Amino acid sequence: DTGVSQDPRHKITKRGQNVTFRCDPISEHNRLYWYRQTLGQGPEFLTYFQNEAQLEKSRLLSDRFSAERPKGSFSTLEIQRTEQGDSAMYLCASSPADTQYFGPGTRLTVL
Amino acid sequence: GEDVEQSLFLSVREGDSSVINCTYTDSSSTYLYWYKQEPGAGLQLLTYIFSNMDMKQDQRLTVLLNKKDKHLSLRIADTQTGDSAIYFCAVRGSNYQLIWGAGSKLIIKP
Repeated sequence: DTGVSQDPRHKITKRGQNVTFRCDPISEHNRLYWYRQTLGQGPEFLTYFQNEAQLEKSRLLSDRFSAERPKGSFSTLEIQRTEQGDSAMYLCASSPADTQYFGPGTRLTVL
Repeated sequence: GEDVEQSLFLSVREGDSSVINCTYTDSSSTYLYWYKQEPGAGLQLLTYIFSNMDMKQDQRLTVLLNKKDKHLSLRIADTQTGDSAIYFCAVRGSNYQLIWGAGSKLIIKP
């Protein structure tokens, strides 16, 4: 078991550009979560999948954000028309049931 | 809404015990977690406790839960320099999402 992986680890982009992040969960974990973490804060929930179904989206998630998990395995998180306020660490976690295991995160910097 | 609060810093001497405290507001939380985050690293699950328990011990870690006061603590015995990190308390909310505190930075004095 190789753990949760995320790609890329770092992304620098200019305001207004679109970015896409990928998360590969631990195999056979049916739940997958996306969180966002800013400096000095705990993670904030963004969205959650059970298999391929997106079951909940936070009110924090504006319509510029979209997430998919097309085959119930890896997931992508896309941010359109990035803003400087989107700069943060984007964390993915997978879960078999009651525990969540996190990947290393993707650090996004919007210039 | 649900809220989780932690003290921001804790400083202890190497070899002493560290106690990190957390309070939460959602009395229906069923699972409560402690995660560790080292600089530049991801969140590592340390331990968790189910709400019908009041204590859980795992090697140097002891978790205490006072459900009446909605208070959770993590005790680290014989604190080592490798324990320097930020420790996050999290409680499970609706739909299995986690609600997080802001983290407690543990500083080890030699």
